[in-house]
Amino acid sequence: ETGVTQTPRHLVMGMTNKKSLKCEQHLGHNAMYWYKQSAKKPLELMFVYNFKEQTENNSVPSRFSPECPNSSHLFLHLHTLQPEDSALYLCASSPLDRGLNEQFFGPGTRLTVL
Amino acid sequence: AQTVTQSQPEMSVQEAETVTLSCTYDTSESDYYLFWYKQPPSRQMILVIRQEAYKQQNATENRFSVNFQKAAKSFSLKISDSQLGDAAMYFCAYRTPLGEGAQKLVFGQGTRLTINP
Repeated sequence: ETGVTQTPRHLVMGMTNKKSLKCEQHLGHNAMYWYKQSAKKPLELMFVYNFKEQTENNSVPSRFSPECPNSSHLFLHLHTLQPEDSALYLCASSPLDRGLNEQFFGPGTRLTVL
Repeated sequence: AQTVTQSQPEMSVQEAETVTLSCTYDTSESDYYLFWYKQPPSRQMILVIRQEAYKQQNATENRFSVNFQKAAKSFSLKISDSQLGDAAMYFCAYRTPLGEGAQKLVFGQGTRLTINP
């Protein structure tokens, strides 16, 4: 499989549940990102990983916990979420290159918190 | 902090016509990168076109071209000969380096483009 994949594509969870989102990239990139896309709002960068090290946390609540075990995999662990956390969560990856390289996005996980 | 503004929440165009999507941004940096991304209803975001700020020549990719006005901090996207497959959300994005090669993309609110047959 090529590109950036995300599982599951859809997730419905209660506020007391614990779940995880998974992202995998097959592009040989060394930087990975989590974004939140809510209706009528710009994409919000949540976390950045650079060679498995977290380099950016954009003031994200602690109920979102990222994990990057290697440069190909990225997880977002979810617990005690709120209904306002319902959104499309996008994963992206990019090369570690100061040149004009783009971020490649996965298809997203549509999360609904009841 | 950098901001990106897309003032047109929705646009529509007749098939085969030309449409221009606007984008403005605010930055104090002199060297940066700008992108237009497309998100079709299937949701996978894909790159449409990109521009380096130090290059004065406007980028073109087949039917897609940009009008980059650095002094005005404007980066509009022109789609010529619009096709039904161009229907999507279009996002303008500004990229800053985070150090060590990682990037930070700041996105605009998006413009939903409808193509009328």
